[in-house]
Amino acid sequence: QKEVEQNSGPLSVPEGAIASLNCTYSDRGSQSFFWYRQYSGKSPELIMSIYSNGDKEDGRFTAQLNKASQYVSLLIRDSQPSDSATYLCAWGTGGFKTIFGAGTRLFVKA
Amino acid sequence: GAVVSQHPSWVICKSGTSVKIECRSLDFQATTMFWYRQFPKQSLMLMATSNEGSKATYEQGVEKDKFLINHASLTLSTLTVTSAHPEDSSFYICSATDRVSYEKLFFGSGTQLSVL
Repeated sequence: QKEVEQNSGPLSVPEGAIASLNCTYSDRGSQSFFWYRQYSGKSPELIMSIYSNGDKEDGRFTAQLNKASQYVSLLIRDSQPSDSATYLCAWGTGGFKTIFGAGTRLFVKA
Repeated sequence: GAVVSQHPSWVICKSGTSVKIECRSLDFQATTMFWYRQFPKQSLMLMATSNEGSKATYEQGVEKDKFLINHASLTLSTLTVTSAHPEDSSFYICSATDRVSYEKLFFGSGTQLSVL
């Protein structure tokens, strides 16, 4: 069974702190990984994509991939209240099908 | 970035009626479109995958006769919920990929369906 596992949270951090979101996946053959952000009542939007081991930075966001340990994480630096949302990790199966985790709810307290 | 337009944003209907939801890629050709359903505080559940000009592939447990999907062109896919019942009330979201942004999904804005 191909799965993505995430801690559903909620994760609460103070404004300005680093929020760390983690995700593990079960398929060792996975090659593409994504983080989506979803505000309540809205559809997901892509934040980061990562395909190789290591870190990938984009503004305040850093995605980390470790294929050997089968985990992918997202760090949000200088967290803002507007970052409060549900963060979905996902991986591509190679056949245009994407598997989503259950999502982690993040609350950034002002 | 690529834009996917989804209409309507919300719909309320009576039990037993059919509802059609449209998903259009506005500035790219969507080779593959996906339809998801999301219940409150749950993750996205893939319902079906559709490729232009061919029949949709439904996920296990999704009734193909109830959720009719048509992907007649590279820019338009429709989902019709036939004989809707209150348990079909949910947030329906389409997404699309193109030949360039391999496996990146571009999402429509979603449709909140409420069946009375």
